[in-house]
Amino acid sequence: SAVISQKPSRDICQRGTSLTIQCQVDSQVTMMFWYRQQPGQSLTLIATANQGSEATYESGFVIDKFPISRPNLTFSTLTVSNMSPEDSSIYLCSVEGRLAGTRYFGPGTRLTVT
Amino acid sequence: AQTVTQSQPEMSVQEAETVTLSCTYDTSENNYYLFWYKQPPSRQMILVIRQEAYKQQNATENRFSVNFQKAAKSFSLKISDSQLGDTAMYFCAFMKHNSGAGSYQLTFGKGTKLSVIP
Repeated sequence: SAVISQKPSRDICQRGTSLTIQCQVDSQVTMMFWYRQQPGQSLTLIATANQGSEATYESGFVIDKFPISRPNLTFSTLTVSNMSPEDSSIYLCSVEGRLAGTRYFGPGTRLTVT
Repeated sequence: AQTVTQSQPEMSVQEAETVTLSCTYDTSENNYYLFWYKQPPSRQMILVIRQEAYKQQNATENRFSVNFQKAAKSFSLKISDSQLGDTAMYFCAFMKHNSGAGSYQLTFGKGTKLSVIP
């Protein structure tokens, strides 16, 4: 399985500011995924990030709010922009494993917006 | 669109006992994958078990096993000899290949909170 790390592990941010979350994988992967998990809820896919192209966003998520970078095959960032308390969630990075149909997750970033 | 239903928001089990978590799904696909993920309080999503829909044999991983009923679209998880470390949220998930996007589409259930009681 892939080893995925995320920074920061948690943060408390002021309303109106932005936070960039980093995701690092120990092997090269084609696709990286960003998920949001609101308190007490399941996971919702925000976007899929391919290296060298624009991220593909799911319905309800836009690039202006959640810009994503994917500069190489082992790294991606997700920025949560102009934050409001409704953005308080766990944000998880994910990659597809070598075995078809598997997906592994990073440890998550717990974001609290005050 | 695929849906995944976990009808048990919370469950508890005595240590060393066996517990079964339910999951049903709805799809018109014939080829897909099913998963159970565990999320302990540390919030790390851990892959517990994986099932390929075209395989009739139920997947097993040590104390974890599934009962996959493809016709009934049912995918339950059995945890044997429950341990305190099994306390976590358990998410059932369905995955199919999205040929248009060139990737696999993963859909999660709402989760079941399992508490193992000493």
